[in-house]
Parts: sequence; structure tokens; C-alpha cells
Amino acid sequence: DQQVKQNSPSLSVQEGRISILNCDYTNSMFDYFLWYKKYPAEGPTFLISISSIKDKNEDGRFTVFLNKSAKHLSLHIVPSQPGDSAVYFCAASARVSYGGSQGNLIFGKGTKLSVKP
Amino acid sequence: GAGVSQSPSNKVTEKGKDVELRCDPISGHTALYWYRQRLGQGLEFLIYFQGNSAPDKSGLPSDRFSAERTGESVSTLTIQRTQQEDSAVYLCASSQQGRYGYTFGSGTRLTVV
Repeated sequence: DQQVKQNSPSLSVQEGRISILNCDYTNSMFDYFLWYKKYPAEGPTFLISISSIKDKNEDGRFTVFLNKSAKHLSLHIVPSQPGDSAVYFCAASARVSYGGSQGNLIFGKGTKLSVKP
Repeated sequence: GAGVSQSPSNKVTEKGKDVELRCDPISGHTALYWYRQRLGQGLEFLIYFQGNSAPDKSGLPSDRFSAERTGESVSTLTIQRTQQEDSAVYLCASSQQGRYGYTFGSGTRLTVV
């Protein structure tokens, strides 16, 4: 049973518009959430994260929103650029299971974002 | 080195053979993780090393899989008697204790024929 779900395998957006990538989770013990970006033939790279004590975290063009009651988070990219085209993975961690340490991350299947010029 | 290094980058092996994959983490990173990504799937956790603590092996799919790490340095993932379903990209990542956001290597693409 998937604990982290990204229900959209792909998303296509015009350059300059907003990209919204969604992620749902089922485990209420998750208390830290991250987004990773992956280009072909490369490992995933960390993009942005959010702790469960917050509902929003912003870093430049990237903003992550967390709705704990709905067990839902989203990544907003605005404005979208062609270089943002990649696969985006949502990940979650239950730090309490590791005595406060990071522990392992549970990843979704990813959403392939295509930003068209 | 500056990043996480994995070798080999590609490996083709015959069914039933053993393979060994290597990961060189970033110097000073106490935590090391192995994940795999099968075609069309997300990243699947395999094993986690944190310093000198006992590793979290809860993600290893069968007893054909094992991993070792000496101290806070190189790790090897060994798959014995490989099966076709073992074909995947095996990714290694490392992080500093208490710091979030792993740094991943580029992975080893394993193909079992």
C-alpha cells in the first residue's frame, strides 16, 4: 500500500505559467516532507522541504504548501521555465520513528513536468 | 569528492550471477541510504546506515540482498543469484546527521538478462 501518492504521472505547462504538483499521503506519523527533482540519467536533487509545524515554505520560485487535515501537499513553481522540465518526487519522513533523526524517506512515484516554451 | 559517487554506472549480468554495487558518500556524511527505482515506479527504500548504529534493513526485498558499510565510508550493496525482477536503477544517497535533503548519486543501472 502506497503511503505517498502522486496521482498525476505527467503535467504539461506553458512557460511563464504556474506549475502545481500534488502529493497525498496516508501515514499520519509523517512529520517532514520534501520535494526532489530528477533529470534523466542523474540522481534526484533536493528542492524544498516543509516541516509539519508549518503550512507553507517558500524558496524563490518554489513554494510548498501542506494541508495536514487533508494529508495533502503541493509544490507550486511560478513562473515555470523550460529548465524546470524534469520528474518531481514527493517524499515523507516520520522522524519520531527514528528518535528524531532523519531516517529513511518514503517516495511517491513521481510526476513528469514538461514546460513548453 | 564533491558528490556521491556510484560504480559501476551500468551493469548487465546474467540471471543467477551475483553483483556488487559500490557507493562512495560525501566525506563527513554519517548517514547513507540505498534506494532502487524499477521502471515506472517510485524510489523504493532498501537500507539505511547511520554512523555506528545497527542498519535499518527493513526495505531489503529478500535475503538475496545485503549491504555493508565500514565506518562512515564506502558502502557495497550485494545481490546474490540475481533475478530479472532485480533490474532497476540502484541509487545511493548520503546526508549529515540531523540534516535533511539527501544528496543522491547518479545510480547504477542494473539489467539482469
